[in-house]
Amino acid sequence: QITLKESGPTLVKPTQALNVTCTFSGFSLTTPGVGVGWIRQPPGKTLEWLALIYWNDDKRFSPSLKSRLTLTKDSSRNQVVLTMTNVDPGDTATYYCAHRNYLTTTFGVRLTQHVAFLVWGQGTMVTVSS
Amino acid sequence: DIQMTQSPSSLYASVGDRVTITCRASQTISTYLNWYQHRPGRAPRLLIFAASSLQAGVPSRFSGSGSGTEFTLTIDSLQAEDFATYYCQQSFSFPAFGGGTKVEIK
Repeated sequence: QITLKESGPTLVKPTQALNVTCTFSGFSLTTPGVGVGWIRQPPGKTLEWLALIYWNDDKRFSPSLKSRLTLTKDSSRNQVVLTMTNVDPGDTATYYCAHRNYLTTTFGVRLTQHVAFLVWGQGTMVTVSS
Repeated sequence: DIQMTQSPSSLYASVGDRVTITCRASQTISTYLNWYQHRPGRAPRLLIFAASSLQAGVPSRFSGSGSGTEFTLTIDSLQAEDFATYYCQQSFSFPAFGGGTKVEIK
C-alpha cells in the first residue's frame, strides 16, 4: 500500500524559507518511472502544481516558481523535501505531495510520458503571516 | 502556458443523476488529461488518466472522453459519495490543473 505524509511548519513569517517534507512508503524512489510531485491549494482556490522529482534525480519546477524552489530526495529514508524561499502571504496553502509512476491503460499500453498523481498525501496547511 | 478551463464551476445534482463536466485546453494536448476527485478533508483521488482510462479501484460509473482540446468527465448515476470537487489536469507540458467543478446536492 502506497502512503505519503507531508510535514512541516504551520506558520512561517514573510521572507523566510519554507521546508516541507514528504515521507512515503510502499514504493521506492529508485524505481524507474517513479516520481514525487508537490501540489498546493490556497484556501478557496484551485490546485497548483509546484514541482516533481524523478527516480533518476531529474527535477521539474513550475516556471512561475522555479527561482524559489528546491527539491531534494533521500531515497534511503524515503523522503523528499521541498524548499521554498522568500515566502509571502500568497504562499499560504495546503501543500500536498503525491506519487507518480508510469501508467498502463486497460489495453496494456504503458504510458511513460504522461504525468498523473496516483496517490496523494493528506496535505499540510502552511500559513505565511507576520 | 497551457490554460485549463472547466465548466461549469459548480452544479447541483441529485443521487441517481447523470453528471457531465467539461474541461477545455487552450491548445491541443492530445490525451494528456487526467481527472481527480477531491472531497473535503480528504486527499485528492485520481479517477481517469490519459483522457479515458479508468484508474484501478474507481467505480465504472466514472468515465472520461475527449482528445485535443475538449474533454469530458461523466458520472453515471451519481452516488452520495460523489459529491465533491472535480479537477482536470494536463501533462502535455508542465502539469496544470483546471479551476475545479463543485458537485453539490440539489
